[in-house]
Parts: sequence; C-alpha cells; structure tokens
Amino acid sequence: SYVLTQPPSVSVAPGKTARITCGGNNIGSKSVHWYQQKPGQAPVLVIYYDSDRPSGIPERFSGSNSGNTATLTISRVEAGDEADYYCQVWDSSSFWVFGGGTKLTVL
Amino acid sequence: QLQLQESGPGLVKPSETLSLTCTVSGGSISSSSYYWGWIRQPPGKGLEWIGSIYYSGSTYYNPSLKSRVTISVDTSKNQFSLKLSSVTAADTAVYYCARQVVGATIDYWGQGTLVTVSS
Repeated sequence: SYVLTQPPSVSVAPGKTARITCGGNNIGSKSVHWYQQKPGQAPVLVIYYDSDRPSGIPERFSGSNSGNTATLTISRVEAGDEADYYCQVWDSSSFWVFGGGTKLTVL
Repeated sequence: QLQLQESGPGLVKPSETLSLTCTVSGGSISSSSYYWGWIRQPPGKGLEWIGSIYYSGSTYYNPSLKSRVTISVDTSKNQFSLKLSSVTAADTAVYYCARQVVGATIDYWGQGTLVTVSS
C-alpha cells in the first residue's frame, strides 16, 4: 500500500511562512491535493494537482511537488489558518490515500 | 451549488451493520468523471478513505476494509449508501460522504455524521 508521511505538528508566528511536508515514494510522479480542516468542520480543498488553488482560496496558499516530497506553503500566516492539513494522492493500488495530517499552530 | 447530506443511525451495536445514506442535491449523481465516496475520521484522528462508487455501479474499496464494506447507488433518488458489517468500537467515527474526481481529488464534502459503536 502507498503511504504518505506528514509531520504531526508545525508551529509558526503570524506573518511568517509555514511549510507542511508530505512524503511518499516518488510522490513527484503523482498529483498531490491538500485539505484544510478546522475543528468540527468538514475538510476543505485548498490545493489540487500539486499547485492549483480552488476559487476562494487565498493566493497565500501554494503547493509544490518533487522527488519524494510535496510541500504546502502558507505565506503571511494568519490566526485563521490554524487547522489540520491533510495531503492526498491517487494510487493505482491503494486508490485515494491520505497522509496522517499536520496540526498547524499559529503562535 | 452541490450539496451532500449524510443520514442514518448515530448509534450502532457491536457486531451489527452500520448503514448510512448520502443524498446529493444541486447536481446529478450520474455526472461523468465523478465517483461518490465515503471517508471517515475517528475522534481525534486522521482521515481514512472507505470506498467509492460510480453512477454505473463500479466501485473502489479500501483494501483494509474491503471484506466488510458495500457501497451502492440509487440514481433515481440521487443517493448512494454505505454498509459496514461486523462493526466494533474501532469503527466509531465521523463519516463523511464526498464527491471524488476520478483518479484525483475530493472537491465536495458532506458535513459529516458521528456514528458511535456501543452496546
């Protein structure tokens, strides 16, 4: 089965840049999607196909993917960005696969 | 605006079958290019994909749950359903229904429904 590995937590000061990684074997050959989940709410898609943003998602959210690591970058972090973030890929054997999630704390 | 709404019992006894239905509004479940799926999240834990179905009935299941999962679709009612058999406390979770792009992302989610497995 295909496994995605995320750090359990990332902390960042307001106004700084947060980077959340998602590791997987040759993940650069796959399309990576990122979701934001706030407490008590359903996940929301924030990045799809590695680096595209759905309408309504601020330009501060960006993504990249190469080699064995994909990265979600949040620039000029705001208090409202505090949430859990999940990466997800499609794998031909495991189908829809999620990473374990990263809790972003805004200090 | 597409909307998905889960419905079903919030409490299921151990060894019994969990049954949930997702009603889709604001769009047709028979749209091409989309699968319709179930994802769950145990309290305080991460997301786990359970399985998905195309309007034609074609399915994908999580290999780790496949032996206990059945997903079906009713295009006349614009609904799809989940059955998870032989449940245990480990199946206690918020269950989400969602629209999934074939081979790619998940672009619409229901609000989720908590199902507790307890006697």
